[in-house]
Amino acid sequence: EAGVAQSPRYKIIEKRQSVAFWCNPISGHATLYWYQQILGQGPKLLIQFQNNGVVDDSQLPKDRFSAERLKGVDSTLKIQPAKLEDSAVYLCASSWTGLETQYFGPGTRLLVL
Amino acid sequence: AQTVTQSQPEMSVQEAETVTLSCTYDTSESDYYLFWYKQPPSRQMILVIRQEAYKQQNATENRFSVNFQKAAKSFSLKISDSQLGDAAMYFCAYRSVHSGGGADGLTFGKGTHLIIQP
Repeated sequence: EAGVAQSPRYKIIEKRQSVAFWCNPISGHATLYWYQQILGQGPKLLIQFQNNGVVDDSQLPKDRFSAERLKGVDSTLKIQPAKLEDSAVYLCASSWTGLETQYFGPGTRLLVL
Repeated sequence: AQTVTQSQPEMSVQEAETVTLSCTYDTSESDYYLFWYKQPPSRQMILVIRQEAYKQQNATENRFSVNFQKAAKSFSLKISDSQLGDAAMYFCAYRSVHSGGGADGLTFGKGTHLIIQP
């Protein structure tokens, strides 16, 4: 069974630029999560999808972050414009349903200069 | 809101020895799940062990076991016969069972960096 796929693995941008990350969950997983992991901290949930609907985006900075999962499969997380404090690893995870174990992708490391 | 605290930023253990990583959490809920995840330098989060709060029996997975003390809100991880491959960041995480609207994202601690000395 293929795991959660993410791309790119690394991204370096300058502040005020935009960036997008892509995630393809494990086949059949209805629930998809995006987490932000700042250096030296544990991951923090940004947004949770159930199929193509948003379940929880209470910690998503909506003035600059957006995410979509249009067909209920893969998902894109966008930052526009980026700030220095957005430098972090962005992790995508998926599960069969919300109550099952979450499986994580390898993450995308973002550096904002 | 729930919080998870890992008070040990770093732990070191000799290969083949036993080490215990600490985790405490704060919640007003009676039913929830607790997890230990391992994150090696590759950054891939790997589930180590999972505990359902309603179960009194402590979970075990091969060399990994937990000491779950619900009243004390404590959830420690014991690694027996430590191996070089166990070296990684270890994160304790909490998840509600009955969140409003189905929201069930994980709440993580800050992690413990485990060093295995050969």
